[in-house]
Amino acid sequence: DIQLTQSPSFLSASVGDRVTITCRASQGISSYLAWYQQKPGKAPKLLIYAASTLQSGVPSRFSGSGSGTEFTLTISSLQPEDFATYYCQQLNSYPITFGQGTRLEIK
Amino acid sequence: QVQLQESGPGLVKPSQTLSLTCTVSGGSISSGGYYWSWIRQHPGKGLEWIGYIYYSGSTYYNPSLKSRVTISVDTSKNQFSLKLSSVTAADTAVYYCARDPAGAADHWGQGTLVTVSS
Repeated sequence: DIQLTQSPSFLSASVGDRVTITCRASQGISSYLAWYQQKPGKAPKLLIYAASTLQSGVPSRFSGSGSGTEFTLTISSLQPEDFATYYCQQLNSYPITFGQGTRLEIK
Repeated sequence: QVQLQESGPGLVKPSQTLSLTCTVSGGSISSGGYYWSWIRQHPGKGLEWIGYIYYSGSTYYNPSLKSRVTISVDTSKNQFSLKLSSVTAADTAVYYCARDPAGAADHWGQGTLVTVSS
């Protein structure tokens, strides 16, 4: 199975900050990577697919980059509604796997 | 707008079979182009992909669950289903159904908590 390791696991930041979350794959996955946002008690919401393509309706402050084994999700200017847990997911090979999550909290 | 809704028992006894159904509205499963997924989340934990099915019936399962999982589709009812046999407390989780256009899951159900307990 392909392991995805997110860093950091926990992040404290302020409104207006620029934050970056990294997802590293245990082997190359080309650009078959997605990012999700999950708020407590809610289903995950797709933010980015194919490593860097913004899902329709997602604010442009979210961006993704990377290929191969290293990927990043960047939020350019944190808004209050962005405080949540973020997960990466690889779809390059079966089984599909997720990172362990990054919890983003208000400083 | 596509919507997905999980349904099924919230409590299952150990060793029994967990059965959930996902009803899709706002779009037809049989129109093709999408995989219909099951994903679960143990309480306070991360996400685990269970498997998915294409409208034609082709399935892909997580090997860690493959011996116990069956995903099926009923295009006449616009539903797909999950069966997980021989459940234990370790199968207690929120179960989500989702639509995947083979690039990521772009629409999700709200999730349903299934507790395995006697």
